[in-house]
Amino acid sequence: DAGVIQSPRHEVTEMGQEVTLRCKPISGHDYLFWYRQTMMRGLELLIYFNNNVPIDDSGMPEDRFSAKMPNASFSTLKIQPSEPRDSAVYFCASSYSPPSGIYNEQFFGPGTRLTVL
Amino acid sequence: QKEVEQNSGPLSVPEGAIASLNCTYSDRGSQSFFWYRQYSGKSPELIMSIYSNGDKEDGRFTAQLNKASQYVSLLIRDSQPSDSATYLCAVNPSRGASKIIFGSGTRLSIRP
Repeated sequence: DAGVIQSPRHEVTEMGQEVTLRCKPISGHDYLFWYRQTMMRGLELLIYFNNNVPIDDSGMPEDRFSAKMPNASFSTLKIQPSEPRDSAVYFCASSYSPPSGIYNEQFFGPGTRLTVL
Repeated sequence: QKEVEQNSGPLSVPEGAIASLNCTYSDRGSQSFFWYRQYSGKSPELIMSIYSNGDKEDGRFTAQLNKASQYVSLLIRDSQPSDSATYLCAVNPSRGASKIIFGSGTRLSIRP
């Protein structure tokens, strides 16, 4: 299995530009999570999906952020317009919910390092 | 009060010694607990999960859970320089919730 795939790995953009981050979860996983990591705030959950449906977007910082999951193998996180304070590493993670109901581990992608100038 | 708290460190331990990492959580209904390791510039990777009170051992790693005290710890025996990383404690806050809350992480440094 290729694991969680994210693209691009690095993104440098100017303030005001639109940024789109992409994620392909592990095949068969029904949960997908978007996180943001900074030195100041640590690892923050932005939004997560179950079976392509957004379940909790309470971590999305503001309306400039939006996320979609059009199918089970693809999700996007969009920032429009971007600001310097959005600079961070953005991780996508996926997991599956076993019949036992016990919470299962999340597998993380390599992350996208975003720099907004 | 943060939902998951960890000492940020850095924690410096000599090679071959036991490293002890601690974590407290605020939600008494929490059911699942995880330790992730994150090397600098890399993504978090799961090293231990624990669901019941007591100890769980896996190689050089032992996770300890005390739900009454709302405390979970990770012991690393025979510490190696390759164990130098940030260790993130994560908690599934309550039964049925589908997310986990991460602590801010403890930076561990193993000195030769």
